[in-house]
Amino acid sequence: AQTVTQSQPEMSVQEAETVTLSCTYDTSENNYYLFWYKQPPSRQMILVIRQEAYKQQNATENRFSVNFQKAAKSFSLKISDSQLGDTAMYFCAFMGQGAQKLVFGQGTRLTINP
Amino acid sequence: DAMVIQNPRYQVTQFGKPVTLSCSQTLNHNVMYWYQQKSSQAPKLLFHYYDKDFNNEADTPDNFQSRRPNTSFCFLDIRSPGLGDAAMYLCATSNGNRGHNQPQHFGDGTRLSIL
Repeated sequence: AQTVTQSQPEMSVQEAETVTLSCTYDTSENNYYLFWYKQPPSRQMILVIRQEAYKQQNATENRFSVNFQKAAKSFSLKISDSQLGDTAMYFCAFMGQGAQKLVFGQGTRLTINP
Repeated sequence: DAMVIQNPRYQVTQFGKPVTLSCSQTLNHNVMYWYQQKSSQAPKLLFHYYDKDFNNEADTPDNFQSRRPNTSFCFLDIRSPGLGDAAMYLCATSNGNRGHNQPQHFGDGTRLSIL
């Protein structure tokens, strides 16, 4: 079974700083998908960024980018120029090829301080 | 805007009293999911529907049931809620017709309290 591990339960940075959230996973599959979801306090969970395992190029969405290291089974999220609105719980998630289900990590609570 | 809508946002019920949570979507997605999320934890998948096909997770208690009368609506029924069932319940959808591994779109959730 696949597992996803987020080793940082909480992080805190100052506004405008860059922050990197860690995620590792375990799978025997070669093709799969990885996601980062953001869940602000009392608000809905939204997709931040998505990476296909067969693509070597790291995904980027505006201030959000990933460092995907397939051999190391690592999928970290970098937030550049952090903003107060980035304060949220961040979940790393895995989906196997042909699957419809997400396997979530434990989450990292990120706080951006003014 | 197309979205996933959960009603109510907050639900209070009594220990042992059946309760139903609802989810509707305007995305026309064929896959719908129900998750249970306890404080500061990851969402835990209870079950999902792929079209009309119901897929239950092995560790979902029998106390939890679901109905999907049509594409747009999905219900979560808790037959005899216990104190341990107090949680946020999240509904999500995805477009399985576009192939596998599509992102899931989440509703705001219903926070269930048990008295």
